[in-house]
Amino acid sequence: AQSVTQPDIHITVSEGASLELRCNYSYGATPYLFWYVQSPGQGLQLLLKYFSGDTLVQGIKGFEAEFKRSQSSFNLRKPSVHWSDAAEYFCAVGASQAGTALIFGKGTTLSVSS
Amino acid sequence: ETGVTQSPTHLIKTRGQQVTLRCSSQSGHNTVSWYQQALGQGPQFIFQYYREEENGRGNFPPRFSGLQFPNYSSELNVNALELDDSALYLCASSLGAARGTGELFFGEGSRLTVL
Repeated sequence: AQSVTQPDIHITVSEGASLELRCNYSYGATPYLFWYVQSPGQGLQLLLKYFSGDTLVQGIKGFEAEFKRSQSSFNLRKPSVHWSDAAEYFCAVGASQAGTALIFGKGTTLSVSS
Repeated sequence: ETGVTQSPTHLIKTRGQQVTLRCSSQSGHNTVSWYQQALGQGPQFIFQYYREEENGRGNFPPRFSGLQFPNYSSELNVNALELDDSALYLCASSLGAARGTGELFFGEGSRLTVL
């Protein structure tokens, strides 16, 4: 069955420090992978996506993610975190039930300390 | 700003009642999907509509139903509300229905509380 696991429920990072959020997926075929961010009271915003090709994907707001098929992982990284990055981050994989349907992980809450 | 608008933003219902949530897609998008996000959880796919037909469904019972209109706006209806239906309901639109056609644009959601 398709699934997404985000092992870290809550992470605190100092402003200016680097960030890595972990994501592991289970999917039988070539996965379509996504990272979304959700700020309080807001909808989900797409940070980046991987469909095929280069396994290092660049996104908005300085984020990047690396697809590693051998590890079934799609970790999100940012070299220097800003206070405005504090939010909930969701990893998702394209589901098979419908074309654009996604299966989301439970999310990782990022707090940024000064 | 994504262009996907949802109404109402908040509502309270009692167990057994029925609720209708509404969504206006981003201009030019012909596909709408609905998700349920319980507190502390990731969004769960309910169903997708393409050209006014349901063309995919997640693991939700039949009392969750929907409609898509010719202008691509959509409704989510939930009958016989249960306490566990309390959640944020998110609508998302996209340019196409096929896998890998691109980005989902989400609205800010409708928060439903069932008492």
